[in-house]
Amino acid sequence: KNQVEQSPQSLIILEGKNCTLQCNYTVSPFSNLRWYKQDTGRGPVSLTIMTFSENTKSNGRYTATLDADTKQSSLHITASQLSDSASYICVVSSGYGNKLVFGAGTILRVKS
Amino acid sequence: NAGVTQTPKFRVLKTGQSMTLLCAQDMNHEYMYWYRQDPGMGLRLIHYSVGEGTTAKGEVPDGYNVSRLKKQNFLLGLESAAPSQTSVYFCASSYSSLGQGYWTQHFGDGTRLSIL
Repeated sequence: KNQVEQSPQSLIILEGKNCTLQCNYTVSPFSNLRWYKQDTGRGPVSLTIMTFSENTKSNGRYTATLDADTKQSSLHITASQLSDSASYICVVSSGYGNKLVFGAGTILRVKS
Repeated sequence: NAGVTQTPKFRVLKTGQSMTLLCAQDMNHEYMYWYRQDPGMGLRLIHYSVGEGTTAKGEVPDGYNVSRLKKQNFLLGLESAAPSQTSVYFCASSYSSLGQGYWTQHFGDGTRLSIL
């Protein structure tokens, strides 16, 4: 069964600290992996998209990694800000169509 | 440039009532999607469209119908609402297939639907 598991479910960190969110998937065939940020009451916004041949991609203070062999990805947030408080969703595309498998998300809260 | 706009933002229905959720995009995207988001679960695809006049079933299509009469609009209908359809509904669009390349998926801000 195609699944995307994210950990931790929730996380609280102090402003200015770094954090890493984890994503494990069993989706096959694999096409690409996406990370989205979803603010409370808003729709998800794309952060990064990686294909199987890429193992790192950055978007400002966000850096995603991908290990296609172990089927794991991580999202590292550097020097966190209050505005980083959101749900972060890992999404894997299966095949060349439009079937995305969404993780349940990690809820991040950044405290001052 | 509004992106993806969903109406209404909130709605309360009684069991058995019908309604239509509206989604409009101004990016000239071919692909449009309807998802539902429930607590503790990932987004699940209800229906999608790969172009004007076409629709296809997603993961959880039962109880819903869709239409794509114009390229910029994608409508989601509930013919006879049930409490199990209480959820947050998101519309999204993309220029091309999400399984190919780096096409970004753009989401609206959701419709919060409660069915009593």
